[in-house]
Amino acid sequence: DTTVKQNPRYKLARVGKPVNLICSQTMNHDTMYWYQKKPNQAPKLLLFYYDKILNREADTFEKFQSSRPNNSFCSLYIGSAGLEYSAMYLCASSSNWRAETLYFGSGTRLTVL
Amino acid sequence: GDSVTQTEGLVTLTEGLPVMLNCTYQTIYSNPFLFWYVHYLNESPRLLLKSSTDNKRTEHQGFHATLHKSSSSFHLQKSSAQLSDSALYYCALSPTSSSFSKLVFGQGTSLSVVP
Repeated sequence: DTTVKQNPRYKLARVGKPVNLICSQTMNHDTMYWYQKKPNQAPKLLLFYYDKILNREADTFEKFQSSRPNNSFCSLYIGSAGLEYSAMYLCASSSNWRAETLYFGSGTRLTVL
Repeated sequence: GDSVTQTEGLVTLTEGLPVMLNCTYQTIYSNPFLFWYVHYLNESPRLLLKSSTDNKRTEHQGFHATLHKSSSSFHLQKSSAQLSDSALYYCALSPTSSSFSKLVFGQGTSLSVVP
């Protein structure tokens, strides 16, 4: 079963409040990713976990945190949401960091008001 | 840096007409991997095609693409569009085989097929 699940599907948040998005996969994949997608823009890699090692992109380093308490689960945390965080957040996994194919979840649409 | 450029915005086609979505890329590496991902409404994006072999046609689900390193292109084609092909299509680049974790996506092309 090639399934990546994301919760919730839609999320409303207030400016300045924290946001926590959740992703899980049942494929025992080593690597999990978080992408941010805004309209008419390319999906942007925010960070990825290879096993327990977190890699964050330099330009979003301070804006997003993540945790991976076990192989199946990965969260994306925003400490203080701003209007610019409104976007679709896509979680993906791959069997390892050298794997060619990403398996995506259906995304969480975050709206910050 | 590495980049991917796709046909911009929305492409509207009449059912039965051929599909061609453009994708060009830039990278300093000589052996890139190119991908097409498709994102249907209310579903998860999924891999449609991939290739790393120059001038070799790759096909899946009626779609095909050929990586041309000479022109840095990986255009997506289909001979006859179907209503069910309406979706958002992403072209993506992995500059090397050493790490696919650094996929670079294009901005996406939205394909709308109408009767």
